[in-house]
Amino acid sequence: KAGVTQTPRYLIKTRGQQVTLSCSPISGHRSVSWYQQTPGQGLQFLFEYFSETQRNKGNFPGRFSGRQFSNSRSEMNVSTLELGDSALYLCASSLLQGDGEQFFGPGTRLTVL
Amino acid sequence: DAKTTQPPSMDCAEGRAANLPCNHSTISGNEYVYWYRQIHSQGPQYIIHGLKNNETNEMASLIITEDRKSSTLILPHATLRDTAVYYCIVRDLWGGSQGNLIFGKGTKLSVKP
Repeated sequence: KAGVTQTPRYLIKTRGQQVTLSCSPISGHRSVSWYQQTPGQGLQFLFEYFSETQRNKGNFPGRFSGRQFSNSRSEMNVSTLELGDSALYLCASSLLQGDGEQFFGPGTRLTVL
Repeated sequence: DAKTTQPPSMDCAEGRAANLPCNHSTISGNEYVYWYRQIHSQGPQYIIHGLKNNETNEMASLIITEDRKSSTLILPHATLRDTAVYYCIVRDLWGGSQGNLIFGKGTKLSVKP
């Protein structure tokens, strides 16, 4: 079956703009988690959604938000972009909430100029 | 913070076994050991997980010491495509109140011809 898909794969924005990233989980998976990866901080957890509700949140400012739809697809939004938001944003899906076996997408590479 | 310690880098000859160590001296009784890897420019990939018994799947074997304070991931016949950063993660099976994966810096494995 198809894996996790993320769109777009690459994105260039300028400071102050906002951005929306999309993630389609593996069919049948109901949990979607988002991670940010930067060279300095490594892989850091943003949030997890299950059944359209945010279940868990990492230590990121309120400019980072997300949502999940009834078909389990998820979006994350970053408002008022800063240079430090440049990163690879990864989405992972799993069958259930809190599942340790997560399937990652290829990521969206965001560059903020 | 990651609860694991891994060497920053390792080399392995193609065709030989790659043995990647991980120390997790503070692991608690209900915590599992998970291994993921990240090939350059891709999302992390789940490899294997275990509690206390040795585990094997089509990708690798996981050997956990009897006191559970350390483990070794074994790639029996490493290929060039196994060159990646390998992450050892300790967590509850279902994450408890924390469903996310906490990634450390991992071990960069370089498989050489």
